Amino acid sequence: NAGVTQTPKFRVLKTGQSMTLLCAQDMNHEYMYWYRQDPGMGLRLIHYSVGEGTTAKGEVPDGYNVSRLKKQNFLLGLESAAPSQTSVYFCASSYPGGRAEAFFGQGTRLTVV
Amino acid sequence: DAKTTQPNSMESNEEEPVHLPCNHSTISGTDYIHWYRQLPSQGPEYVIHGLTSNVNNRMASLAIAEDRKSSTLILHRATLRDAAVYYCTLTSGGGADGLTFGKGTHLIIQP
Repeated sequence: NAGVTQTPKFRVLKTGQSMTLLCAQDMNHEYMYWYRQDPGMGLRLIHYSVGEGTTAKGEVPDGYNVSRLKKQNFLLGLESAAPSQTSVYFCASSYPGGRAEAFFGQGTRLTVV
Repeated sequence: DAKTTQPNSMESNEEEPVHLPCNHSTISGTDYIHWYRQLPSQGPEYVIHGLTSNVNNRMASLAIAEDRKSSTLILHRATLRDAAVYYCTLTSGGGADGLTFGKGTHLIIQP
C-alpha cells in the first residue's frame, strides 16, 4: 500500500499562475483533507471532503478550490497564486468517526515568487 | 472549536521517560483526544488516541485526567528518533471537520 501520495513534491510558481495539487489515497477512506503549514506553525485546514462529490470549507479556504470527483483523489487548486500562499501543503485521509486515525502525505512545498 | 494548549518545547535525555502535557479545558463529551507527531520534513503521523480511559500502544501511553480537561502523552524510553513536534488534537464524534492543530510541543532529546 502506498498510503497517501501527493503530487508534486516541490513547485515554484510565479504570482498569478495557477496549479493543481493532487492527493491520492489507496485505503478506501471516506474523508480527505487539505492542510497548509507555515514556518513554525501547526497545520491549518483549508478544505475537506466527507465523500465523493462533496467538499466543505475549513479554517483558511480563501484563494483555493477543491474537487473530489473520485473517492481516492482530492485535488487542491490555486487559480491565481499569491506569495502569501507559499507554504507546505499536506493532504490527509481517514475513515469516518472521531476515533479514526488520519494518514498524511509527505507534503508539497510550494513557493510563489 | 475545542482548543488545546501545550508547552512550546521540552527537553529530555535519551532512554528516559518523557511526559508531554496537554490542556483541553473546553473538551466536549464526544471529543476524542488524539496525538500526532511530526518528524522534520515529514507529514504528521498518528501516535495514539483515547476518549476516557488511559490507553497504551507500541509507541506510547496516553493518560487522561478524570475530568478529561487534560491529558499526558508518555514516551516510556525516549530515543533520538523521538525528537519531533508533538501535537495534541481533539476530534468530534463524527470526525468530519478534521483535526485542529496548535503549534505543538517541540521535543528535544539529548544523547
